[in-house]
Amino acid sequence: QVHLVQSGAEVKKPGASVKVSCNASGYTFTRFDMHWVRQAPGQGLEWMGWMAPSSGNGGLARKFQGRVILTRDITLSAAYMEVSSLTSEDTAVYYCARSAAEEFLVFWGQGTPVTVSS
Amino acid sequence: QSALTQPASVSGSPGQSITISCTGSSSDVGGYNFVSWYQQLPGKAPKLMIYDVIHRPSGVSDRFSGSKSANTASLTISGLRAEDEADYYCVSYTSISTWVFGGGTKLTVL
Repeated sequence: QVHLVQSGAEVKKPGASVKVSCNASGYTFTRFDMHWVRQAPGQGLEWMGWMAPSSGNGGLARKFQGRVILTRDITLSAAYMEVSSLTSEDTAVYYCARSAAEEFLVFWGQGTPVTVSS
Repeated sequence: QSALTQPASVSGSPGQSITISCTGSSSDVGGYNFVSWYQQLPGKAPKLMIYDVIHRPSGVSDRFSGSKSANTASLTISGLRAEDEADYYCVSYTSISTWVFGGGTKLTVL
């Protein structure tokens, strides 16, 4: 049974960085790409980027390039998303999500709320 | 990459059918058969309802169906039920190897 368990809620000051973890279990971690999606309060879903755990390769949406870093630790079956230079506009719930063979983003983490406030 | 365009809200009575549109461009929706639809209940993670334009994951009711014409994808829910009331999002693969979501549609069952 696939499980994606994310780290807990974070409160950060503007200008700081935050790193969210996503611990995977129930499948071979390196077989499936991991995506990151965020949702600001009362707003829609926003795709941020993806990584192939097997190679470490991936991509980011243009607005996040230069400010978001995706990494992984294969030994821990964990994916990480780090956002730097936080502003209040980064206040959101951040999700990791995984696809199945053809089904896009069928497994989701529980979400990590990140609040940016002075 | 701009968000795909969805109506902010749609509504219908129990038993009726509704359709939610998702309009993009030839660089996303129109260029690929990689459009998925998600249902999101308040405070919950999204749930995949349709993938690759027309396909339903195992366990999703056949009252949900997807289609596409040119640059617009659509999600149709037939035999509307109270439990269908939720937010719905489309997402598409794009020509720059990224993905883009629609702005979301709030479905109200009257």
